[in-house]
Amino acid sequence: ELKVEQNPLFLSMQEGKNYTIYCNYSTTSDRLYWYRQDPGKSLESLFVLLSNGAVKQEGRLMASLDTKARLSTLHITAAVHDLSATYFCAVDMGNYKLTFGKGTLLTVNP
Amino acid sequence: DVKVTQSSRYLVKRTGEKVFLECVQDMDHENMFWYRQDPGLGLRLIYFSYDVKMKEKGDIPEGYSVSREKKERFSLILESASTNQTSMYLCASRVGYGYTFGSGTRLTVV
Repeated sequence: ELKVEQNPLFLSMQEGKNYTIYCNYSTTSDRLYWYRQDPGKSLESLFVLLSNGAVKQEGRLMASLDTKARLSTLHITAAVHDLSATYFCAVDMGNYKLTFGKGTLLTVNP
Repeated sequence: DVKVTQSSRYLVKRTGEKVFLECVQDMDHENMFWYRQDPGLGLRLIYFSYDVKMKEKGDIPEGYSVSREKKERFSLILESASTNQTSMYLCASRVGYGYTFGSGTRLTVV
């Protein structure tokens, strides 16, 4: 059974600081997704990583995938308040199932 | 852009009622999904469908059933609602590597 573990589950940051959210998964896969969710809202797709070594960047967020280590990271650079949200990683095993981590609640403080 | 529409944003139902949650997508996607989201547990897959009249159980199908009579519509059915089914329900559709989520239905069973 695939397990997807995110850490930390809670992250309080100061504006301007950098930090990384980690996503480990237990079974080989080369498809990993990152989503953002604002309170009371649906999931917004951030990144789709489809191969080992994939790196994608959008604004202050950068995601990477190491399929050998079964690890993806979401790096936040110079955080701003607008990045406050819950971030989920999800792994696609290719069997129509997307398995999610528990989410990381990010709070960026002024 | 793909739209996934969930017919109700909020629902309050009584224990024992039969409950229908409706989801419609407008892009002719073959794959559709129902997830349940609970605090601290992330999103968990209830059922998915890879074609009309085809359905597969996800990780937590107990107490739920689904119906897919037309390609664009995927319904989640709670045969006899219970208080432990109080949750946020998210529908999604997929084509290729892209998943699109609906805005969610917050169901409260009293």
